[in-house]
Amino acid sequence: QSVLTQPPSASGTPGQRVTISCSGSSSNIGTNYVYWYQQLPGMAPKLLIYGKNQRPSGVPDRFSGSKSGTSASLAISGLRSEDEADYYCATWDDSLSGPVVFGGGTKLTVL
Amino acid sequence: QVQLQESGPGLVKPSQTLSLTCTVSGYSISSGISYWSWIRQPAGKGLEWIGRIYTSGSTKYIPSLKSRVTISVDTSKNQFSLKLFSVTAADTAVYYCAREGPGMGLFDYWGQGTLVTVSS
Repeated sequence: QSVLTQPPSASGTPGQRVTISCSGSSSNIGTNYVYWYQQLPGMAPKLLIYGKNQRPSGVPDRFSGSKSGTSASLAISGLRSEDEADYYCATWDDSLSGPVVFGGGTKLTVL
Repeated sequence: QVQLQESGPGLVKPSQTLSLTCTVSGYSISSGISYWSWIRQPAGKGLEWIGRIYTSGSTKYIPSLKSRVTISVDTSKNQFSLKLFSVTAADTAVYYCAREGPGMGLFDYWGQGTLVTVSS
């Protein structure tokens, strides 16, 4: 059971906008930055979003992150077939002596 | 370009010790502004952070593994290592090393991952 809760699956058609949620608590998402990672099949995860909706170089602006209270969301606009992957949220938890915690992951299918 | 590469045995017997090393290139591990972490992923499951080490040698581990894990650093070789003691089949996973920071949970560079199977 993950500390952060994500829907196990999401889907959309090419060009559509999809959002993936990540729910936590006041000791993690409520007080800390949330990071988002994309994991393509058979590959290592890749950082997508950090800080206040910042993207590493090379990540298209179709990806955006937001946070409200104890929940966070990743939005993908202009969905493309290559966006089909697993997506994970992550932050750290102050109540558990500060370990990094991940969401359970959301598998995004592009129909 | 920062690169990380895991190395170590792909098969470990139950009750023995899992030992992995991460070799960092393109960045000095002793630069002092990053943490160095290990993360694992059982087949078909999500990511689990194991722990981190700072170049000073200070460490932090996930509470559920704290009694069985040690992370160390060798700045002369630009490497850091993971030891997981008394392994069981539940420790079978792909193990990733990653550079973390400046924020905790911000992993900007990852190794490709190495599969470690615990089996007799």
